Amino acid sequence: QSALTQPASVSGSPGQSITISCTGTSSDVGGYNYVSWYQQHPGKAPKLMIYDVSNRPSGVSNRFSGSKSGNTASLTISGLQAEDDADYYCCSYTTSSTLVFGGGTKLTVL
Amino acid sequence: EVQLLESGGGLVQPGGSLRLSCAASGFTFSSYAMSWVRQAPGKGLEWVSAISGSGASTYYGDSVKGRFTISRDNSKNTLYLQMNSLRAEDTAIYYCANGLMPIVTTKFDYWGQGTLVTVSS
Repeated sequence: QSALTQPASVSGSPGQSITISCTGTSSDVGGYNYVSWYQQHPGKAPKLMIYDVSNRPSGVSNRFSGSKSGNTASLTISGLQAEDDADYYCCSYTTSSTLVFGGGTKLTVL
Repeated sequence: EVQLLESGGGLVQPGGSLRLSCAASGFTFSSYAMSWVRQAPGKGLEWVSAISGSGASTYYGDSVKGRFTISRDNSKNTLYLQMNSLRAEDTAIYYCANGLMPIVTTKFDYWGQGTLVTVSS
């Protein structure tokens, strides 16, 4: 199972919006509405930000949103804040009843 | 409050074995699937394995299939990962994770603090 494809890095200034893509295949991202996004700060465990493509867990800011088109899922962060500076990972269910993560994207808030 | 506490990590030689444990509390352990996720130093997340609430169904990533075995003891609220034939590339922090879902899912609301496994001679 190959890792999902994410850009290695993205950046934005405070207040701006950014989008991180997560590209898979019809056997994972395109085949199921089971895509989650995680935020990870250095030395910390990952934190769930989005699940089932576009749902936000309780307590997660509404500045975070998710979507999917075909084999590509996307995470959009609006109104960038300094604390959003972190690594972001997508995760998808697959036809093999397994899970696969993306390679991760480092978000830098300038 | 949901808590997951991993243990059992350490230094092991290539070809060796190690068993990780994850003690769970704050929820009805037997009702929910559990997963192991690992992260090599400076690298991304990799899903390793998952198990159903009853333990009847298990799932593995290609990189560990045939070498690792996931299991659980619902009477002890504990998840395990038996790792055999360890390789240098298995060096990572191993997290147990849970989304309070009865099925295997990408929704991991809760994570442990992780336990470091180092495979080196």
